[in-house]
Amino acid sequence: QKEVEQDPGPLSVPEGAIVSLNCTYSNSAFQYFMWYRQYSRKGPELLMYTYSSGNKEDGRFTAQVDKSSKYISLFIRDSQPSDSATYLCVGSGTYKYIFGTGTRLKVLA
Amino acid sequence: GAGVSQSPRYKVAKRGQDVALRCDPISGHVSLFWYQQALGQGPEFLTYFQNEAQLDKSGLPSDRFFAERPEGSVSTLKIQRTQQEDSAVYLCASSPAGNLQETQYFGPGTRLLVL
Repeated sequence: QKEVEQDPGPLSVPEGAIVSLNCTYSNSAFQYFMWYRQYSRKGPELLMYTYSSGNKEDGRFTAQVDKSSKYISLFIRDSQPSDSATYLCVGSGTYKYIFGTGTRLKVLA
Repeated sequence: GAGVSQSPRYKVAKRGQDVALRCDPISGHVSLFWYQQALGQGPEFLTYFQNEAQLDKSGLPSDRFFAERPEGSVSTLKIQRTQQEDSAVYLCASSPAGNLQETQYFGPGTRLLVL
């Protein structure tokens, strides 16, 4: 079993939809949780960074962490075609990032 | 300022050849990481440097993989006697000071194809 599990998708939604992306993790030592976005043939870029449980909002993006259920979520409001990418969730308790498989998202114009 | 850069961006090697992949981290960043990303998968940790010291190489798949950062800036990942299973994207990341809560900034990756 992988330490971070993520549905690979693909997930297709119409423009303007609310997107929900989710991960589960198994390592109780994880304290830091991140979402990276990766466009095709590019490196991952940080979207959201959360320490421990709670919510964090940045523009159209909201990250949620529930440590009691070991569940990580990313919500994208008013999705745009430019949001089409692979979204990687990450857990970490040290310098070592543990990535999920990534979920491919396609936002249709 | 400039981000993390990697070269070459694409590399085709014949099975058995040696390859060297270069990473230029963000200037002044103390920590440097290498990850391997297979097709359709998330990146997997390979190794970690703090300045010139390689503090963790637990993710290197075999003794054919070797990484160095001799002057604490540029790093090279070398793969000897490449095999088809080495085909992947190799990502380099850096962070400012090596603290646990720091963000890692990723380069564009080197896409390696072993024929």
